Amino acid sequence: KAGVTQTPRYLIKTRGQQVTLSCSPISGHRSVSWYQQTPGQGLQFLFEYFSETQRNKGNFPGRFSGRQFSNSRSEMNVSTLELGDSALYLCASSPTGTGVETQYFGPGTRLLVL
Amino acid sequence: QKEVEQDPGPLSVPEGAIVSLNCTYSNSAFQYFMWYRQYSRKGPELLMYTYSSGNKEDGRFTAQVDKSSKYISLFIRDSQPSDSATYLCAMSPGGYIPTFGRGTSLIVHP
Repeated sequence: KAGVTQTPRYLIKTRGQQVTLSCSPISGHRSVSWYQQTPGQGLQFLFEYFSETQRNKGNFPGRFSGRQFSNSRSEMNVSTLELGDSALYLCASSPTGTGVETQYFGPGTRLLVL
Repeated sequence: QKEVEQDPGPLSVPEGAIVSLNCTYSNSAFQYFMWYRQYSRKGPELLMYTYSSGNKEDGRFTAQVDKSSKYISLFIRDSQPSDSATYLCAMSPGGYIPTFGRGTSLIVHP
């Protein structure tokens, strides 16, 4: 079974731009979560989607948004990029009926904001 | 004080050693406790999870949770160079919205 895939793997943007990241979960997984990982703050939860609905949300500003499609694929959007948004953005999927205890992570998208 | 504290290391051990990795936490509502391994430039990989207190063993790995002390541990027996990675602990009150430790860098040298 294929793992979680994320595209693109690397991205360079400038301040003020917006960016969209994509995540395809493991086949059959309906829960998709997004995380931000930085050297300073570590791994932080952004939000979780289940059946096209945002089910949980972390403590990030409204510039960070996401959505999930009917095939469970998910996108994350960051508007008005700031230098501090430079990070590894990770997506994880979970089997239906489970929570974060059985998450499978993708390889991440490394975003650099100049 | 952060909700989850984890020594960043690096922790350097010889091959074959028993490794002990630890996290402390302050939120008594945490019920799910996870350990992840993250290799450089890769996403985290779930190693083990434990619900509430107790021990759990899987091959060379043993996870322990002591809720009275708010302290969790991951033991790695017969450590191998391939175990060299960053180990992240994570915790959640209800199976959602996990809080992660900063990770401990482990180096196992031949």
